Amino acid sequence: DVKVTQSSRYLVKRTGEKVFLECVQDMDHENMFWYRQDPGLGLRLIYFSYDVKMKEKGDIPEGYSVSREKKERFSLILESASTNQTSMYLCASRTRRLDSYNEQFFGPGTRLTVL
Amino acid sequence: QKEVEQNSGPLSVPEGAIASLNCTYSDRGSQSFFWYRQYSGKSPELIMSIYSNGDKEDGRFTAQLNKASQYVSLLIRDSQPSDSATYLCAVPARRGSSNTGKLIFGQGTTLQVKP
Repeated sequence: DVKVTQSSRYLVKRTGEKVFLECVQDMDHENMFWYRQDPGLGLRLIYFSYDVKMKEKGDIPEGYSVSREKKERFSLILESASTNQTSMYLCASRTRRLDSYNEQFFGPGTRLTVL
Repeated sequence: QKEVEQNSGPLSVPEGAIASLNCTYSDRGSQSFFWYRQYSGKSPELIMSIYSNGDKEDGRFTAQLNKASQYVSLLIRDSQPSDSATYLCAVPARRGSSNTGKLIFGQGTTLQVKP
């Protein structure tokens, strides 16, 4: 079974703090993703990593950065948290293997509240 | 025009009935399609993947794909209250004829199964 884990289920931070969200997958997947999900706005892609040390901006990268130093781990960084970054953050991973459907598998999510 | 469209619902069906969820997509060259189920406050869970025209069955779930008409459906037979969730349709994002690795998600259809 694919397993994607995220470091926290719930997180409360203060405005201006630096926030790290960690995601780990155990299936040797090449691709990893960070999304945020807000009511009425659906899933929005923040950043995408297609392999170690490789990243690509998604639809809403402003205010975020990412790090992928090891294949299994993809970190999302909020350099200076703001209240409009209060959201559910979802990590996903995907294999590029040709014998796969190449679906994305999601972690449990981190509900971040910025006060 | 949205690239993946779903009726947001809520779709309400009585327990034991067939629930029919629909999704249309704009990229005629799309080759694979995914259905995710998302319970309130939880992360999306992949429940069906389909590549070929026609039906694919998995237990009480059937995915139906019609590439000529550019729609994909999810049927849930013998609906149970535990099926009450939001169902997301997703299609791979392509650049030209190549798959980018990213997914385009619909906004989701909320299903309510009433006992």
